[in-house]
Amino acid sequence: KAGVTQTPRYLIKTRGQQVTLSCSPISGHRSVSWYQQTPGQGLQFLFEYFSETQRNKGNFPGRFSGRQFSNSRSEMNVSTLELGDSALYLCASTPGDRYNTGELFFGEGSRLTVL
Amino acid sequence: SQQGEEDPQALSIQEGENATMNCSYKTSINNLQWYRQNSGRGLVHLILIRSNEREKHSGRLRVTLDTSKKSSSLLITASRAADTASYFCATDAGTDSWGKLQFGAGTQVVVTP
Repeated sequence: KAGVTQTPRYLIKTRGQQVTLSCSPISGHRSVSWYQQTPGQGLQFLFEYFSETQRNKGNFPGRFSGRQFSNSRSEMNVSTLELGDSALYLCASTPGDRYNTGELFFGEGSRLTVL
Repeated sequence: SQQGEEDPQALSIQEGENATMNCSYKTSINNLQWYRQNSGRGLVHLILIRSNEREKHSGRLRVTLDTSKKSSSLLITASRAADTASYFCATDAGTDSWGKLQFGAGTQVVVTP
């Protein structure tokens, strides 16, 4: 079974631009979560989607948004990029059928550099 | 904010030695998990221990959980160079967590041959 796939793996943007990252979950998994990892703040939860609906959201500004498609693939978008948005963005999937969170299956991440 | 605090921040050992790292958290949990991350890559799930469990084993890994002290430890026995990585504890806290885990800052482990 293929794992979680994230694209692109690396990207460089300039301040003020926007970026879209993509995540394809493990086949059969309906929940996709997004995390931001930085040296200063560590791993922080962005949001979670299940059946095209956002079920949970972390404490990030509105510039960070996401969506999920009917095939469970998910995208996240960051608008008006700031230098502090430079990070490794990780996507994780689970079956999503439980109210609490069991094992997360992570992708390799998308490394975003904002210049 | 981070739920878990890990100790030590960094650990350097030789192959064959055991590595122990600790995690403390602040609120009641449903479960506690440990993940490994090789440099700049995705996280790999190692083990999950539920709040009503006290100890769990998986291969060379042993995890303990003390909910009265809100702490957990991860022991890696007979370490190998391939165990070099960062290790994170993560807690699933509260109801309807829906994909949200709170991660600690991590312990960076270096295993030298």
